Amino acid sequence: GEDVEQSLFLSVREGDSSVINCTYTDSSSTYLYWYKQEPGAGLQLLTYIFSNMDMKQDQRLTVLLNKKDKHLSLRIADTQTGDSAIYFCAGRPGGNTGKLIFGQGTTLQVKP
Amino acid sequence: SQTIHQWPATLVQPVGSPLSLECTVEGTSNPNLYWYRQAAGRGLQLLFYSVGIGQISSEVPQNLSASRPQDRQFILSSKKLLLSDSGFYLCAWSKGQGSPNYGYTFGSGTRLTVV
Repeated sequence: GEDVEQSLFLSVREGDSSVINCTYTDSSSTYLYWYKQEPGAGLQLLTYIFSNMDMKQDQRLTVLLNKKDKHLSLRIADTQTGDSAIYFCAGRPGGNTGKLIFGQGTTLQVKP
Repeated sequence: SQTIHQWPATLVQPVGSPLSLECTVEGTSNPNLYWYRQAAGRGLQLLFYSVGIGQISSEVPQNLSASRPQDRQFILSSKKLLLSDSGFYLCAWSKGQGSPNYGYTFGSGTRLTVV
């Protein structure tokens, strides 16, 4: 089945760019997602990318997809302290259930 | 617009007591529904999912069960809680079969502490 891997921790300075990386195993995943979780809260969908796209940009967020290497990244430009959170990558394997398989989450720490 | 409600927000229960967590969705019909557990603030483990009323799929063997008595209601239960059931439980919904899937919408979560 689908397996999604992420690095656990990233620390950046305010104003720098953050790049959070993710690898997945199921090449049939049609959609790949990035979620943000603030302390004590549920997960918020940040953005998603369809598997036939290489890149998607949404304001400060840029998602890059390398299907050959099964590698997904999320770039946050001009990182702010409010961006400090756990970021989850998720893939949707084939089938009708809509199940998402999540990575273990990357904790982003933004230092002032 | 669609909304998802999950309650209670926090719960402290003794070992051996029963559990019932409820999740309801508004503004959509025939959603796919999911229960996830997040242990120690880390990764998400899919516990159950449902594609329709009375249809429950279990992802991992455990002390918990789920039910979907109505189209937009999903309940997570246990007859006797274990210490290892402590965690942050998240309910989520997504569009059902045949709809483009743009990911889940999550509830705000229930922090369960078993003592």
